[in-house]
Amino acid sequence: DIVMTQSPDSLAVSLGERATINCKSSQSVLYSSNNKNYLAWYQQKPGQPPKLLIYWASTRESGVPDRFSGSGSGTDFTLTISSLQAEDVAVYYCQQYYTIPPYTFGQGTKLEIK
Amino acid sequence: QVQLVQSGAEVKEPGASVKVSCKASGYTFISYVIHWVRQAPGQRLEWMAWINAGNGNTKYSQKLQGRVTITRDTSASTAYMELSSLRSEDTAVYYCARDRNGMVQGTLDYWGQGTLVTVSS
Repeated sequence: DIVMTQSPDSLAVSLGERATINCKSSQSVLYSSNNKNYLAWYQQKPGQPPKLLIYWASTRESGVPDRFSGSGSGTDFTLTISSLQAEDVAVYYCQQYYTIPPYTFGQGTKLEIK
Repeated sequence: QVQLVQSGAEVKEPGASVKVSCKASGYTFISYVIHWVRQAPGQRLEWMAWINAGNGNTKYSQKLQGRVTITRDTSASTAYMELSSLRSEDTAVYYCARDRNGMVQGTLDYWGQGTLVTVSS
């Protein structure tokens, strides 16, 4: 199975500042035939199911604010929140969908307000 | 609007089985794949299985193969996840989620509210 490792495990950022979360996969999730990275990001608030933010590593899901962006390729990826808002407090997960089964998730990064 | 509504919390004894339902609305049920994902307390999300709601094809996690069965009732726009031989490690919130691509891709755009399954004697 592909192992997804996020860093840091937790992060405290001031309102209006940038937040950066990293995700590393144990093998490449870049499919050479279509040059797509099979990597998604989700946001999970307490007591709620996860919400899809980003897929193909950098494509924002409809309705997701443009302060959220994804980057990276191969094995190293980043989720950036350009200007942290109070409603962004959540746990963020990366997920690979390159090999099936199983799809695998990172351990999560807890984002808080400093 | 797209909605996935799951059945309520369950408490089961070790060795028993549990069946969780996921009723879809707001879209054409048979045109999409439904996934099941679970989250044990303090653990990462774990993908369990998917079912093609149109043709009934399924794929299971090797870890759970033999204990999990995914079915669907197209007339009721409902998918089901049954987990047998329950053990304490199966205590988790179980989610159903729709594959955004329609067919199998693995990006999950709509999720049910979750069903807490507690395994305890």
